[in-house]
Amino acid sequence: DTGVSQDPRHKITKRGQNVTFRCDPISEHNRLYWYRQTLGQGPEFLTYFQNEAQLEKSRLLSNRFSAERPKGSFSTLEIQRTEQGDSAMYLCASSRMGVSGNYGYTFGSGTRLTVV
Amino acid sequence: TQLLEQSPQFLSIQEGENLTVYCNSSSVFSSLQWYRQEPGEGPVLLVTVVTGGEVKKLKRLTFQFGDARKDSSLHITAAQTGDTGLYLCAGANSGGSNYKLTFGKGTLLTVNP
Repeated sequence: DTGVSQDPRHKITKRGQNVTFRCDPISEHNRLYWYRQTLGQGPEFLTYFQNEAQLEKSRLLSNRFSAERPKGSFSTLEIQRTEQGDSAMYLCASSRMGVSGNYGYTFGSGTRLTVV
Repeated sequence: TQLLEQSPQFLSIQEGENLTVYCNSSSVFSSLQWYRQEPGEGPVLLVTVVTGGEVKKLKRLTFQFGDARKDSSLHITAAQTGDTGLYLCAGANSGGSNYKLTFGKGTLLTVNP
């Protein structure tokens, strides 16, 4: 069990550029989540996958954001036409099937995005 | 919208002191979790409490879930510098969306040597 891996750890991009982040969850976990965290705030839910199906997408996610989880393994989060307000830490987490509230999440180290 | 309020927002203490941080909501959660987060890293799960009134101990940390499952507290005995970090509580929704966690803003704890 190598934990949840996220790549890259840091990304600086110019406004208007597209960026893509990758998340490799714990292999036995079939639930995968993306959260966003800004300074002084707790993580905010963005989207949830059960296996390869995206079952919920937050209203925080504008149409510039898209997430995929092909074959129910790794996941990608793409942001198109980045804006300064997209600057944040993007966290990926995975969990076992069942009541997540009981099992808890395993988070990755996050991708810190800075839009200049 | 379910909200979790954490207090205090900031706490700075000396090594060896005891402290309690709180997590409150007007909503009922099916369970509640506590995480600790260090700068530049993702949160790490400390504990999950499920039953109203439940108390769990993890070495010097004691976690309590309120009887009505709306609030929780974390008590640290004899704090150490290694306890420094952001403590986040997170509630799991009831029913069909029990996979989703609602996080508080956290308590930033600094333990000074």
